[in-house]
Amino acid sequence: EAGVAQSPRYKIIEKRQSVAFWCNPISGHATLYWYQQILGQGPKLLIQFQNNGVVDDSQLPKDRFSAERLKGVDSTLKIQPAKLEDSAVYLCASSLVDREQYFGPGTRLTVT
Amino acid sequence: AQKVTQAQTEISVVEKEDVTLDCVYETRDTTYYLFWYKQPPSGELVFLIRRNSFDEQNEISGRYSWNFQKSTSSFNFTITASQVVDSAVYFCALRPDILTGGGNKLTFGTGTQLKVEL
Repeated sequence: EAGVAQSPRYKIIEKRQSVAFWCNPISGHATLYWYQQILGQGPKLLIQFQNNGVVDDSQLPKDRFSAERLKGVDSTLKIQPAKLEDSAVYLCASSLVDREQYFGPGTRLTVT
Repeated sequence: AQKVTQAQTEISVVEKEDVTLDCVYETRDTTYYLFWYKQPPSGELVFLIRRNSFDEQNEISGRYSWNFQKSTSSFNFTITASQVVDSAVYFCALRPDILTGGGNKLTFGTGTQLKVEL
């Protein structure tokens, strides 16, 4: 069974530029999550989708971050404009309802 | 509010030694789930175990074992006869019971970097 796919794996941008990350969850997983992991810290949930709908986006900086999950499968996370403090690894995860989450390899973002 | 504390930032052991990674949690929920994940240098978080708060039985899976003690709010992880391939960052995480309206949101600790040397 294929795991969670993410792209790109690495991205370097200048501050104030925009960037987008893509995630394809495990087939059949209705729930999709985006996490931000800053170096030396545990992952922090940014947004959780259940099919097309948003379940929790309480920690998403909505002035610059946006996410969508069209058709309840793939998802895109966007940052516009990026700040230096956005440098982190962005992890996508998916799960069946009320089950453990499976993570993708992440996208390492460096903002200069 | 939920909180997970992993007080050990980094542990170094020699191969074949046993090592225990500590995890202490705080929650007001009566039912919840605890998890351990492994993050190797490749960056992907690998699921290791999920434990329901009602189930305090210790669990063993090969060289891995977990000790859940509700009385001390701890969920410690022991690797027996460690190997170089065990070198990674290990995260403990906490999640409320979805039936209490807590969704499936994981609260992670800050992780413990385990280095196993020859």
